[in-house]
Amino acid sequence: ETGVTQTPRHLVMGMTNKKSLKCEQHLGHNAMYWYKQSAKKPLELMFVYNFKEQTENNSVPSRFSPECPNSSHLFLHLHTLQPEDSALYLCASSQDKAYEQYFGPGTRLTVT
Amino acid sequence: AQSVTQLGSHVSVSEGALVLLRCNYSSSVPPYLFWYVQYPNQGLQLLLKYTTGATLVKGINGFEAEFKKSETSFHLTKPSAHMSDAAEYFCAVSDGNTPLVFGKGTRLSVIA
Repeated sequence: ETGVTQTPRHLVMGMTNKKSLKCEQHLGHNAMYWYKQSAKKPLELMFVYNFKEQTENNSVPSRFSPECPNSSHLFLHLHTLQPEDSALYLCASSQDKAYEQYFGPGTRLTVT
Repeated sequence: AQSVTQLGSHVSVSEGALVLLRCNYSSSVPPYLFWYVQYPNQGLQLLLKYTTGATLVKGINGFEAEFKKSETSFHLTKPSAHMSDAAEYFCAVSDGNTPLVFGKGTRLSVIA
């Protein structure tokens, strides 16, 4: 595997379910990010991790819970989501938090 | 704080015509500037970047951009559009210390 991978690519979940999104980067980077991309809305930065420490949380609801066990892996734990949370969730990584970011293919999430 | 303005949420060009996507930025320090492309149901892919040095930057797929400090602009151009260039394009800025700030994106359509 090369670059940034995300699993699953598609996810349908009910509002009472608990699921997790996984991201893995094979680039040796130190920073990782979660973004939300909704139709007809700007890209929204959700969380930033630098050297496994969370450095930004942009007022994200607590039903989204990130986890970064090491510099190569990033998870987004989801619980009791709302239909408006349906979106493409993108993971990215960069050498340092101000450098160019490399994106995964995204997870298309549908909340029913 | 930095910000990016992409003029035109949708640009349509004929195949073979010049592509011009506009990006203006705001930054209190010399910026790092980036252009990304996103094809449907995929993540963002880095097209090109400017950090220091030559102000005309060449990227992948025949695209280039010129950093103009006096105009606070970083417009993306391509001499001749191909059908395969149809996608969403994002401009981004960094101050070298904080994560990239992305514009709202411009959707490029190419007409045969």
